[in-house]
Amino acid sequence: GDSVTQMEGPVTLSEEAFLTINCTYTATGYPSLFWYVQYPGEGLQLLLKATKADDKGSNKGFEATYRKETTSFHLEKGSVQVSDSAVYFCALSDEGDVGTSYGKLTFGQGTILTVHP
Amino acid sequence: DAGVIQSPRHEVTEMGQEVTLRCKPISGHDYLFWYRQTMMRGLELLIYFNNNVPIDDSGMPEDRFSAKMPNASFSTLKIQPSEPRDSAVYFCASSFAGGLFFGSGTQLSVL
Repeated sequence: GDSVTQMEGPVTLSEEAFLTINCTYTATGYPSLFWYVQYPGEGLQLLLKATKADDKGSNKGFEATYRKETTSFHLEKGSVQVSDSAVYFCALSDEGDVGTSYGKLTFGQGTILTVHP
Repeated sequence: DAGVIQSPRHEVTEMGQEVTLRCKPISGHDYLFWYRQTMMRGLELLIYFNNNVPIDDSGMPEDRFSAKMPNASFSTLKIQPSEPRDSAVYFCASSFAGGLFFGSGTQLSVL
């Protein structure tokens, strides 16, 4: 079955440091890939997505590139802020239907990011 | 729009009691998903609906769990009887044409 593996956390960085959170996946076919962010006490929010190989998703300074050859979708940000402290989830969907493709997701275990001033 | 609304935010109950979690999706969204989040198993999809019809309930852990969506603006997830291992955060999410929006979740503690 499908699976998503994220780098072990937690990750602790100083403000303005470079961030990488690794994500690799196993899936049949050509899944869509997502990064979600969860702030304390809140539900998950979509951060960015990519639907085909070599696509780059980006939002709020975060980027991730869909690498089919390495089955990876690593999250990066050039300069993190204290407000980026949250839990980050990598996820995939191998559903072809547009309705379920964004909702029927397999999630990684999440990576806790803490950014200090 | 107020977003996906879940109630209650917190629920503490005793083993054996019935628990009902509620969800109001975003108006106009035609898909509704119930997820469960635990430290051990992470986020798991329990069941989802399309246009109020249950499509896939293969993630529902046991017969003690049931979900309904009587109309487009309301869904429930019921656990009867509840057990301590059901303790988790339960999220409802709704989707339309490619955007998935989560509620803030219900923190369930079964003692």
